[in-house]
Amino acid sequence: QKEVEQDPGPLSVPEGAIVSLNCTYSNSAFQYFMWYRQYSRKGPELLMYTYSSGNKEDGRFTAQVDKSSKYISLFIRDSQPSDSATYLCATRLSGGSNYKLTFGKGTLLTVNP
Amino acid sequence: GAVVSQHPSRVICKSGTSVKIECRSLDFQATTMFWYRQFPKKSLMLMATSNEGSKATYEQGVEKDKFLINHASLTLSTLTVTSAHPEDSSFYICSAGGIDTQYFGPGTRLTVL
Repeated sequence: QKEVEQDPGPLSVPEGAIVSLNCTYSNSAFQYFMWYRQYSRKGPELLMYTYSSGNKEDGRFTAQVDKSSKYISLFIRDSQPSDSATYLCATRLSGGSNYKLTFGKGTLLTVNP
Repeated sequence: GAVVSQHPSRVICKSGTSVKIECRSLDFQATTMFWYRQFPKKSLMLMATSNEGSKATYEQGVEKDKFLINHASLTLSTLTVTSAHPEDSSFYICSAGGIDTQYFGPGTRLTVL
């Protein structure tokens, strides 16, 4: 079993839809959870960063972490064509940012105008 | 804040030559930087972890004599692909460990002819 599982999609939605992206992980020691957005031929851009369980909201984006079920989610409200990208979930152990990240495979999202 | 740059953004070289890629944290100091490789439509593959002032830690299967990493200061790490061959053609991305998580550079596309 891979440490982080993520459905690669592709996922295609109409503009304005609510998008739900999900990952599961196997290592209960993971404490920090991140979502990155990567446009084609660009480096990943940090979208959301959460510690332990709970929700975090930033504009149209909401990240959820459920450590009891080892499940992490990213919701995008009022999706826009500019949200079309690959979304990568990532986790790491406790400690500083010097620890390496474990990534999901990424989900390719297309928002159609 | 938390901006990471890479140079060059794109490089084309002949087989057998060496190529150096620079990664800089522009507005923060990073004791640890990471080098990734990404194939088309694939997730990030960690190559090595670079610590300022010490030797890099390479992931299993990555040739340290082929991919030379130097982290001479808290804001600069370099990756040198030595004696490049066409199979080394790829998208190389660095990241720097910030206060909370890793921040990625825009990537360098290497094409070896």
